[in-house]
Amino acid sequence: AQSVAQPEDQVNVAEGNPLTVKCTYSVSGNPYLFWYVQYPNRGLQFLLKYITGDNLVKGSYGFEAEFNKSQTSFHLKKPSALVSDSAMYFCAGLSGGYQKVTFGTGTKLQVIP
Amino acid sequence: EADIYQTPRYLVIGTGKKITLECSQTMGHDKMYWYQQDPGMELHLIHYSYGVNSTEKGDLSSESTVSRIRTEHFPLTLESARPSHTSQYLCASSVGWGAKDTQYFGPGTRLTVL
Repeated sequence: AQSVAQPEDQVNVAEGNPLTVKCTYSVSGNPYLFWYVQYPNRGLQFLLKYITGDNLVKGSYGFEAEFNKSQTSFHLKKPSALVSDSAMYFCAGLSGGYQKVTFGTGTKLQVIP
Repeated sequence: EADIYQTPRYLVIGTGKKITLECSQTMGHDKMYWYQQDPGMELHLIHYSYGVNSTEKGDLSSESTVSRIRTEHFPLTLESARPSHTSQYLCASSVGWGAKDTQYFGPGTRLTVL
C-alpha cells in the first residue's frame, strides 16, 4: 500500500518570510514524489518532482522540496513567500510498482501581506 | 500551460438529467484520469484509462461511466444526475509510468445538481 500525508490543513505565513508545507509518505520501494499547486477555480499545476539523486529538488516559481529518506518526508519550501503563493498545495506519490498516483489531502497556504 | 481542456466549466442541472462532461488533450498522452474534488478537499480518483479501449474504476466508487474511443478524448457520463453528484470534476493526463507520471490537469468542471 502507498499513502501520502499532509499533516497541516492550513499554513499561514507573512509575506517575505520563508514557508514550509509538510508532506510525509509511505510507499514500498523507491518513491516518486510530486508537489502540485491549485489556485481557486483552477486545476492542479505541477511544481516539482523527486525521482532519484539529489535530495534537494528545485521547481517552478522559486519552490524547492527536500527529500528525506530517514524521515520519509518531502517538505515543500520557499525562501521568501509572496501573496500570490496563496493557494492549495497537494503532495503526491507513487512507487515503481504502482500505476496510480496517491494524493495527499492538501494544505491551504495563506500568505499575509 | 497544459493542453488539456474540459467543457463545460460550470454546469447547473436538475435531478434526473443525463450529463456528459468532456475532456480532451492534445499531448498524445496514453493515460487519462477523472478525479472528484469537493471544495477545498482532497482528490478522489474515480476513473482512469491506460489507453484506447481501456477504462478502470478508481479508488472512490462513482455512479458515472467513462469511455476512451480516441486517445485524446475521455468523456465522463452521469445517466441520472442527483444532488449528491454536486462537486468539482478534474480531468488529467500523463505520459506513462513511474517517473514519467507527471499529471497535467484541466481547469475542471464544477457541477451543481439541484
